[in-house]
Order: sequence, then structure tokens, then C-alpha cells
Amino acid sequence: EPEVTQTPSHQVTQMGQEVILRCVPISNHLYFYWYRQILGQKVEFLVSFYNNEISEKSEIFDDQFSVERPDGSNFTLKIRSTKLEDSAMYFCASSPDLYEQYFGPGTRLTVT
Amino acid sequence: RKEVEQDPGPFNVPEGATVAFNCTYSNSASQSFFWYRQDCRKEPKLLMSVYSSGNEDGRFTAQLNRASQYISLLIRDSKLSDSATYLCVVKSGYGGSQGNLIFGKGTKLSVKP
Repeated sequence: EPEVTQTPSHQVTQMGQEVILRCVPISNHLYFYWYRQILGQKVEFLVSFYNNEISEKSEIFDDQFSVERPDGSNFTLKIRSTKLEDSAMYFCASSPDLYEQYFGPGTRLTVT
Repeated sequence: RKEVEQDPGPFNVPEGATVAFNCTYSNSASQSFFWYRQDCRKEPKLLMSVYSSGNEDGRFTAQLNRASQYISLLIRDSKLSDSATYLCVVKSGYGGSQGNLIFGKGTKLSVKP
């Protein structure tokens, strides 16, 4: 069964550094998303992406964040200058339609 | 009012018990509803979509009451492997918009032998 994959599984970085989180969505899916979950809190939407454009973004997704689909398979989330409060689990999700979304295993980001 | 509200639990039940989770949502225009399960420090996994007519998948039954903005999940004959956090999820957006998922905080279930 096809799955969303994410790398790395765990990233430790220092405050102020740039990080890039990578995702490979399921191959025939058209719609892509990033979510995050701070430890002990609910899953929160960051951004949705379709046809090489951002469809929607939340207020969390400020100028420090960007997304890109550099080729036909990868979907990346970049945080330009990390803050302590960016420490969270980041989940990529993809969907073949505008309905069910399938999540990757996540990248745990720790900012020190 | 929170967008998606759930009883956080925990629900501690013996194997074989029937357990029900409830959820309310605030946006009456919401169109799509789901239950996901999340194991500790893992990703949310789609358990089932929730249809207006109600739907069943094995031991799991989901119901939607649009008038009350209320969603439920019933688990019959619970197994040890059902222990997880159950997330009530509502999709935002209208018609053909891409929208995004709005998650509740989850209800923790612990099934004991």
C-alpha cells in the first residue's frame, strides 16, 4: 500500500538556523499539506498546496516558512530562522481528491 | 467556542467493552467529517469517514447529526490494540475548495486485559 514518507525522522537544530523538512507524497495524489503538532497539543494546519501554488495558509505559516515542490516527487517545508517555539512534530499529508488525507510518519524538530 | 471539541478522557475500559466517543463542531457549513486514530508519537491514521446516513466498518460505527453539529464513534468488542487517541476531524472549506483539516484534541482510550 503506498505511503507518504518523510525525512529526516528527527532533526535537531540551533535557534536561528534554517531547516528543510522533506516529504514524498503518494505518487498519484494532487493535493499536499503540512501540519504540525506541539507535544501534548492538537494537530494544527500550516499550509495546503496544489498545482505548484499555495492554496491556503494558517496564521502560523508566517514569512519564516515556505514550501516548494522542486520536482515531481518531493514536497518540502523550509523554516528560515528557527525559534524555540518551532519545536514540534511536522506532518506532511497528501490527498488524491478534496476529501481524505493521508499522513506521513512525521519529522520531530527540536530547536535548542 | 472551540472549532472541534472532544472529551479528552482517558477512557479506561476492559477488553470486550463497548465505548462511545462524542465530538461537537462549531462551523455549521462544514461538509466532511472523519475519525482518525493516533498512537503515541505517531502520525494520525484515517480510521473512517463519517457520512450523514451513518456508517459502519467492522466493530466501528460513526454517526453524524448535522442539526446538533455532533459526531460520534462507537467501538464494539474493544481490543487491546484499540488503545490509542481518537481524533475527531472536520474539513474546512466550501464546495470544491481544497480546505484543510481541523482537529480536536483527541480522546484517549486505554483498553485493559
